[in-house]
Amino acid sequence: DSGVTQTPKHLITATGQRVTLRCSPRSGDLSVYWYQQSLDQGLQFLIQYYNGEERAKGNILERFSAQQFPDLHSELNLSSLELGDSALYFCASSDSQGRGGGYTFGSGTRLTVV
Amino acid sequence: DQQVKQNSPSLSVQEGRISILNCDYTNSMFDYFLWYKKYPAEGPTFLISISSIKDKNEDGRFTVFLNKSAKHLSLHIVPSQPGDSAVYFCAARVSGNTPLVFGKGTRLSVIA
Repeated sequence: DSGVTQTPKHLITATGQRVTLRCSPRSGDLSVYWYQQSLDQGLQFLIQYYNGEERAKGNILERFSAQQFPDLHSELNLSSLELGDSALYFCASSDSQGRGGGYTFGSGTRLTVV
Repeated sequence: DQQVKQNSPSLSVQEGRISILNCDYTNSMFDYFLWYKKYPAEGPTFLISISSIKDKNEDGRFTVFLNKSAKHLSLHIVPSQPGDSAVYFCAARVSGNTPLVFGKGTRLSVIA
């Protein structure tokens, strides 16, 4: 157990639908990062939150949004889903400086859009 | 634009031999480099890192080498063990709490 909890582990939904992925960071970590891993692609950075505030944005589609709540858990909302959104979505957390080993990753949510 | 490139999608090595995984980067502002290991159905886990002020960092069977002039780093695993079979991701970042940029990964298979 890495200390980063992601739910659900698997999600199957239809095109056009909306889903919410949830992440609880490791205790004490203030930063949360969301990454997408599609087939044959590396880990693509989506968005970073630090202590409730958006800190950095990557290749995140406008149909996607995220937030970090006061208890530091984060949610990634994916709407108007398309087949190409099928991927593994990872959440990671780090301390304020991302020192040492960098991030601690959760085990991911596998999203399948049919 | 792929800032971190792992040009070998897969690598197969015999148990006991050396595994060498390579990574190239294009952003000269990167100053911290990491390797992560990923097993199926799990998230990536940190393996080893190196700061740009060093050219080598060793941790047990794992050594990372950094060649800044060539913008190249490599991960050496000696001796390789079947349990090392996994996908290895190279990652890099600019200083501070900036997002890590990952390569596409190399799948290592260690054959007994």
